[in-house]
Amino acid sequence: SHYLTQPPSVSVSPGQTASITCSGDRLGDEFACWYQQKPGQSPVLVIYRDNKRPSGIPERFSGSNSENTATLTISGAQAMDEADYYCQAWDSSSTVIFGGGTKLTVL
Amino acid sequence: QVQLQESGPGLVKPSQTLSLTCTVSGDSISRGGYYWNWIRQHPGKGLEWIGNIYYSGSTDYSPSLKSRVTISVDTSKNQFSLILRSVTAADTAVYYCARLSNVGGYWGQGTLVTVSS
Repeated sequence: SHYLTQPPSVSVSPGQTASITCSGDRLGDEFACWYQQKPGQSPVLVIYRDNKRPSGIPERFSGSNSENTATLTISGAQAMDEADYYCQAWDSSSTVIFGGGTKLTVL
Repeated sequence: QVQLQESGPGLVKPSQTLSLTCTVSGDSISRGGYYWNWIRQHPGKGLEWIGNIYYSGSTDYSPSLKSRVTISVDTSKNQFSLILRSVTAADTAVYYCARLSNVGGYWGQGTLVTVSS
């Protein structure tokens, strides 16, 4: 996966489900993770190894990865989830690649 | 808890060299198992991976920056460093250091570096 493609923006109504995709050649053969970044803050890991949640991340965040697409799903989105989201994978054992980022709007 | 802290000048003149250091606490770089990364973010833009280093000194760089970048490690100080040569205004960005792996990522707070005369 030399490039990861994300939609620039996704909108969701409060309480509804938001899905953010990340596409890359044979991405499903690698582990993907997802970062949340709010304005003026460092990225925070919300999903690693495709579908694992770090301690402290709400259960409404989930992930999947198959074939060419990884997906971050936020079930019951809240206003506090409004942020930029980035997918990240490894293009080799040491080369890091990021998606272009998706701005999630909750309105 | 792993913590990373970037340090270095916030202002660099065009054509000069940008130099940043990342100090790690709560983990030992020499323990191995993780890649220690530099990532930057231009104002209002996405994340751009610059490169990384393993405790052994093995490095990997973004092809777009490889000719101007050097990343080094000092395990005795538990630090790793970034050098970016011949900077231009296009190198103005927030620079982050981060420990990345398949089991998680820890990031520093980031430091804004402005390239201007």
